[in-house]
Amino acid sequence: DTEVTQTPKHLVMGMTNKKSLKCEQHMGHRAMYWYKQKAKKPPELMFVYSYEKLSINESVPSRFSPECPNSSLLNLHLHALQPEDSALYLCASSQDTGLWGTNEQFFGPGTRLTVL
Amino acid sequence: GESVGLHLPTLSVQEGDNSIINCAYSNSASDYFIWYKQESGKGPQFIIDIRSNMDKRQGQRVTVLLNKTVKHLSLQIAATQPGDSAVYFCAERQGAQKLVFGQGTRLTINP
Repeated sequence: DTEVTQTPKHLVMGMTNKKSLKCEQHMGHRAMYWYKQKAKKPPELMFVYSYEKLSINESVPSRFSPECPNSSLLNLHLHALQPEDSALYLCASSQDTGLWGTNEQFFGPGTRLTVL
Repeated sequence: GESVGLHLPTLSVQEGDNSIINCAYSNSASDYFIWYKQESGKGPQFIIDIRSNMDKRQGQRVTVLLNKTVKHLSLQIAATQPGDSAVYFCAERQGAQKLVFGQGTRLTINP
């Protein structure tokens, strides 16, 4: 299985809602990532988990809360979002090979989030 | 600051021609680069990568060239097909896990 799956595909939420995005991979990868991609822009890194521990937080607002329950799952909990948070949220995974390896990241199809 | 960018935001080519997509990077210490293809409604898909100790790498119909002297990266696609229509991103590795993406080039294939 060489896929990264994400659910839901689409999500519409109000600014007072609490929702979660889910990501799953079964490639045995030990690094997992959340990216945010606005329309016609490149993906921007939000969080990195390495061996189920948060290793990078790119100064993301606290209304985004990541969670890595196990090595195959990655969640992104959303609370009190703003309309400008509307974007495509991409999950990725890779073998955590460190600086001396390569870092091919496999991406999921993304969740299209709209905040009203 | 450090950045990864592209010379052209859009590229239109005739079906069957070769395509060349360019990317400039500013961090001379960068050691690893990846090209991704993103089709509409999908996540980025790995195309090819190259380490800084190489200047050329070939895949199936694709070639990546790295010129460290001028900090330039290019992706060549041979015999472009309609299925090659997408946005192409170069990405530069910073540290062990962080990828910084360039702005992207939209490739359009004319029949």
